[in-house]
Amino acid sequence: NAGVTQTPKFQVLKTGQSMTLQCAQDMNHNSMYWYRQDPGMGLRLIYYSASEGTTDKGEVPNGYNVSRLNKREFSLRLESAAPSQTSVYFCASSSGATSTDTQYFGPGTRLTVL
Amino acid sequence: AQSVAQPEDQVNVAEGNPLTVKCTYSVSGNPYLFWYVQYPNRGLQFLLKYITGDNLVKGSYGFEAEFNKSQTSFHLKKPSALVSDSALYFCAGRDDQRGYQKVTFGTGTKLQVIP
Repeated sequence: NAGVTQTPKFQVLKTGQSMTLQCAQDMNHNSMYWYRQDPGMGLRLIYYSASEGTTDKGEVPNGYNVSRLNKREFSLRLESAAPSQTSVYFCASSSGATSTDTQYFGPGTRLTVL
Repeated sequence: AQSVAQPEDQVNVAEGNPLTVKCTYSVSGNPYLFWYVQYPNRGLQFLLKYITGDNLVKGSYGFEAEFNKSQTSFHLKKPSALVSDSALYFCAGRDDQRGYQKVTFGTGTKLQVIP
């Protein structure tokens, strides 16, 4: 039982390049999330998927797109990377069954955009 | 709009001493509150949560948190700190409204336990 896995762990991009961050969970969770973590700003929600087949914007969606490929997988795409997107990206999942369910986080992807 | 504040960027405590990491919240309805811990180069791990009922919530690794409605606080505590408790701690919260409501995270408090 791996929980939430993310690939890659590290990535360096040049401005304007694109990439996709992959996330998968094996807990049969309905809800999945993408956050970015920046120093002094805590975690900010980029996009979330309350259930398979739905996605919605969070606080900071500009410059990102997401795909809920199936119940297990939720990917985050940067179409044209910018230095402001240098951050640590975390994927999380929760059962979605109640409003108090706990989120489980992946190990993160450290992205640097030059 | 809901918000969660962690007023201290860093807390230093000697090993064996009690520790407190502070959190205050502002939500429109009844609050659901969480504490997560992040060790270096790792994702966040759930510690404990308050939903309703007893104001003192017990969680993992000997941590507990006290919900205080009048002070809108949810401080994390541990009676005796360990060096291995050194990490980044996040408070998070949301309200009890129906439908999906995002969880708001605080900015984090770095706990340093000094041997």
